[in-house]
Amino acid sequence: GNSVTQMEGPVTLSEEAFLTINCTYTATGYPSLFWYVQYPGEGLQLLLKATKADDKGSNKGFEATYRKETTSFHLEKGSVQVSDSAVYFCALPFNTGGFKTIFGAGTRLFVKA
Amino acid sequence: GAGVSQTPSNKVTEKGKYVELRCDPISGHTALYWYRQSLGQGPEFLIYFQGTGAADDSGLPNDRFFAVRPEGSVSTLKIQRTERGDSAVYLCASSPSPTGELFFGEGSRLTVL
Repeated sequence: GNSVTQMEGPVTLSEEAFLTINCTYTATGYPSLFWYVQYPGEGLQLLLKATKADDKGSNKGFEATYRKETTSFHLEKGSVQVSDSAVYFCALPFNTGGFKTIFGAGTRLFVKA
Repeated sequence: GAGVSQTPSNKVTEKGKYVELRCDPISGHTALYWYRQSLGQGPEFLIYFQGTGAADDSGLPNDRFFAVRPEGSVSTLKIQRTERGDSAVYLCASSPSPTGELFFGEGSRLTVL
């Protein structure tokens, strides 16, 4: 069936460090892929998405490339800031007669000044 | 513009009681979703509405859970005979079309004592 697996956290980095959060998926067909972010005290919000293989989604300095060969959608940022501290969720929508989106377990990121 | 609104933001109840959680989606969004999020976990799908009808209710854990959306806008999640294991944050999300991009409310935190 369809599933999403992302690396466990927490991830703790110093400001300006490089970030990678791994996400792999299992799906039939070629769905869109998403990263959502949940800042402290706020609701989930879309961070970025990619709709087809080899697409790169980007937003707020974050990037993720849809890799069909490795069924991956890893999230990266070249230089993290304290304000990036949040929980990040990889997500996969698939069609069950409507679109049901399933989420990974989330990776908590702490960035230290 | 107004986002997805959920009420109450916090609900404390006793085991065995009945609870209703309300979601007011973004105006014009035809798709509405309910998720449940336990501490340290990703959102778990419960039910999806397209218009007034439940297109997919495969995530409802048992028959104590029920949701309605009578006029295709506001939705209510109803939980009968609550149990301590029902304690979680219940998230509502809406979408303008079944494309997978979800707009979330801030959630209703349910605590069953």
